[in-house]
Amino acid sequence: DSGVTQTPKHLITATGQRVTLRCSPRSGDLSVYWYQQSLDQGLQFLIQYYNGEERAKGNILERFSAQQFPDLHSELNLSSLELGDSALYFCASSLTGVLADTQYFGPGTRLTVL
Amino acid sequence: AQKITQTQPGMFVQEKEAVTLDCTYDTSDQSYGLFWYKQPSSGEMIFLIYQGSYDEQNATEGRYSLNFQKARKSANLVISASQLGDSAMYFCAMREGNTGGFKTIFGAGTRLFVKA
Repeated sequence: DSGVTQTPKHLITATGQRVTLRCSPRSGDLSVYWYQQSLDQGLQFLIQYYNGEERAKGNILERFSAQQFPDLHSELNLSSLELGDSALYFCASSLTGVLADTQYFGPGTRLTVL
Repeated sequence: AQKITQTQPGMFVQEKEAVTLDCTYDTSDQSYGLFWYKQPSSGEMIFLIYQGSYDEQNATEGRYSLNFQKARKSANLVISASQLGDSAMYFCAMREGNTGGFKTIFGAGTRLFVKA
């Protein structure tokens, strides 16, 4: 158990809908990262937050948004869902967000868009 | 552009033998970090080992070692004394950026099968 929690574990929804994925980092970790893992795109970095502020952005679609709250939990919002958004979404956390920081991954949320 | 290449989609190794998983990377940055992660069939991502671009010694963590050849831009993972529980997908990743934030890119992965 990495100490990172993600809810829900599974999510099934329809095209055009909006969903919110939630992540609680390890106790004491200030940085949160979101990743998407799909069969055709592999593992892709989406976005990083540090202590509530956005720090780095990867291949995150405009239909997706994220935020980190004062209690350091984070949410990833996915809207106007398409079939291709079906994937495993990981949240990871690290202590400070510096280059050498170990990122601890949560168990993931498996999103299925029908 | 940043790139990570893992050329071995699948590898077989006999239990108790050593195995090397290949990883090459491409970057123009001087400061970057290289990571290896393990993903068992259960799906979780497990951190294995880290090598910084300025580290002169190869990183080691228990049975895992990273063969870092900077000039060749390679960061191969060596697993010694393979165990059945090592059967999993292995990802090489590179992180670069600045103090403001860091992006991580992953290779396509190598699936390792350990035979009894």
